Amino acid sequence: NAGVTQTPKFQVLKTGQSMTLQCAQDMNHNSMYWYRQDPGMGLRLIYYSASEGTTDKGEVPNGYNVSRLNKREFSLRLESAAPSQTSVYFCASSDRGPNEQFFGPGTRLTVL
Amino acid sequence: AQSVTQLGSHVSVSEGALVLLRCNYSSSVPPYLFWYVQYPNQGLQLLLKYTTGATLVKGINGFEAEFKKSETSFHLTKPSAHMSDAAEYFCAVSDKGGTYKYIFGTGTRLKVLA
Repeated sequence: NAGVTQTPKFQVLKTGQSMTLQCAQDMNHNSMYWYRQDPGMGLRLIYYSASEGTTDKGEVPNGYNVSRLNKREFSLRLESAAPSQTSVYFCASSDRGPNEQFFGPGTRLTVL
Repeated sequence: AQSVTQLGSHVSVSEGALVLLRCNYSSSVPPYLFWYVQYPNQGLQLLLKYTTGATLVKGINGFEAEFKKSETSFHLTKPSAHMSDAAEYFCAVSDKGGTYKYIFGTGTRLKVLA
């Protein structure tokens, strides 16, 4: 099993460009999450999807949109990238309940 | 609202010494509690978790943590540090309201000195 996969691994954008970060999991998990990690701030939840067909805002949703395409896939879209969105983005998945979240390897995004 | 505080953004210990990483939470109802480890340029990996039952929880790689309700703490310890323990450690809480979303602490970077 691959676990949680993310593409791309690295990306450089110019201010105003758009892009979609892809995430897929092969563990048949119901819940999926998108986080951003910034130095000294830990991980902050951007959006999550408790089950297929549902999405909800997390702590820092502004400037982002998400799509839960099916049970396996959960994408994060930046419509008009800003330098403040320079960060490392992690996708995670879990079963329902207070269970372990499994993390992908991350996408390092730089917005110039 | 829940919050998590990790005291010390950087901790250094000598190889073979005790590792103690501190985590305190703020919640009216004791939450579910987790410790994750992140090695350089990797995602996070679960070390251990507390949901119910025994308050002393053992995890992988010789780590353990004790849930102390009276102190609202969940400190991570390891009796003897190894060079391979050098990493960043995150404490997280998850609410009991049904969504089980995590709130992460800001992390503690552990350095192990030879």
